[in-house]
Amino acid sequence: KQEVTQIPAALSVPEGENLVLNCSFTDSAIYNLQWFRQDPGKGLTSLLLIQSSQREQTSGRLNASLDKSSGRSTLYIAASQPGDSATYLCAGPLNAGNNRKLIWGLGTSLAVNP
Amino acid sequence: GAVVSQHPSRVICKSGTSVKIECRSLDFQATTMFWYRQFPKQSLMLMATSNEGSKATYEQGVEKDKFLINHASLTLSTLTVTSAHPEDSSFYICSAPDRGINRAQETQYFGPGTRLLVL
Repeated sequence: KQEVTQIPAALSVPEGENLVLNCSFTDSAIYNLQWFRQDPGKGLTSLLLIQSSQREQTSGRLNASLDKSSGRSTLYIAASQPGDSATYLCAGPLNAGNNRKLIWGLGTSLAVNP
Repeated sequence: GAVVSQHPSRVICKSGTSVKIECRSLDFQATTMFWYRQFPKQSLMLMATSNEGSKATYEQGVEKDKFLINHASLTLSTLTVTSAHPEDSSFYICSAPDRGINRAQETQYFGPGTRLLVL
């Protein structure tokens, strides 16, 4: 059974810092892992998808890595900006037959202070 | 990326009425869609999986007669909150997976959410 956890639960940093958000999962047979961002009162925005065959994905200042053997994924945010303030969620698939639902971490609430 | 829309974005209704929320995948077909609800400052809670051409699969503790789901086509799923009560007030979000070439490429795209307030 897939379980996903995220640490830290909350993070507050000054603008300009490089950040690492952590996500761990229990089922290493994961076929992909997705990182999302949620702004208050809004839906979720997909940031990065890492397939099981990939080690990392990059989009702008974001870099996500995947280590299946250790059951970990990290989201690296370079040169953080106040606009990065949001809740960041990772999710992995249930890995049960044709069931396509995602298993979610509780998220990391990020505040980047100007 | 792919786009998922939700309508309405916000609805206020009286207790006892029913409210329908639509979720559409705009540029891809989705045989499956997911409905979530989220309370303030809490994580997403999966309510049900909407399946095109068959019955929805509800998560434990979610009343299927209370939250009616209809997956009318490959691009549309609807969630109807029947006989709404104030405790049903919440943020409802749908998502649809876009499979890509294979399962490893499957990406979940989310609608912008619907805020329901039941008076």
